[in-house]
Amino acid sequence: QITLQESGPTVVKPTQTLTLTCTFSGFSLITSGVGVGWIRQPPGKALEWLALIYWDDDKRYNPSLESRLTITKDTSKNQVVLTMTNMDPVDTATYYCAQRQSSGYYNWFDPWGQGMLVTVSS
Amino acid sequence: DIQMTQSPSSLSASVGDRVTITCRASQSISSYLNWYQQKSGKVPKLLIYSASNLQSGVPSRFSGSGSGTDFALTISSLQPEDFATYYCQQGYSLWTFGQGTKVEFK
Repeated sequence: QITLQESGPTVVKPTQTLTLTCTFSGFSLITSGVGVGWIRQPPGKALEWLALIYWDDDKRYNPSLESRLTITKDTSKNQVVLTMTNMDPVDTATYYCAQRQSSGYYNWFDPWGQGMLVTVSS
Repeated sequence: DIQMTQSPSSLSASVGDRVTITCRASQSISSYLNWYQQKSGKVPKLLIYSASNLQSGVPSRFSGSGSGTDFALTISSLQPEDFATYYCQQGYSLWTFGQGTKVEFK
């Protein structure tokens, strides 16, 4: 069974850096084709993809947020870490991590972690 | 960047209705299109992958169609547990979600 769990601060102040950790089980990030992504959802709004890291350490970022994001992995701990700099109240959202699954080039996010609400407030 | 536009943004329907939600990509994405269901306060759930493939465990009343730029999610007979928000997502070039379609009780 594959599970993912997000962890990190629930409140950050404006201008601070957010660090979120996704701890997963049931798969390995050294397996070819595997990836872990981060997606967020502001309250009452749509889903927004943020970043993704592949088994070979290739990384992809949302172009609109790329300058603020860094994604890394620790395969020995089965963890993926996302950092987002210069946090602003508009970054208040539920942050999810999810496994990227694929069949050939086709790919999708499943399963997802439970998500965690991060509030940006002074 | 590839933009995904869903229509309608919301709809009201009754149990037993046939419901269709459409999703349009700003450029051709072949069949790199997935659909998710999100109930209020819950985690998004994969329904359909690669435009028309039903995820394991998803009821057969859900179906997906389309390729290129135009896609559709159809619920053949709406059930009480289907009232939720539905999102399309492209995986052709990076990843982008649509703005969502909320299916409400009429």
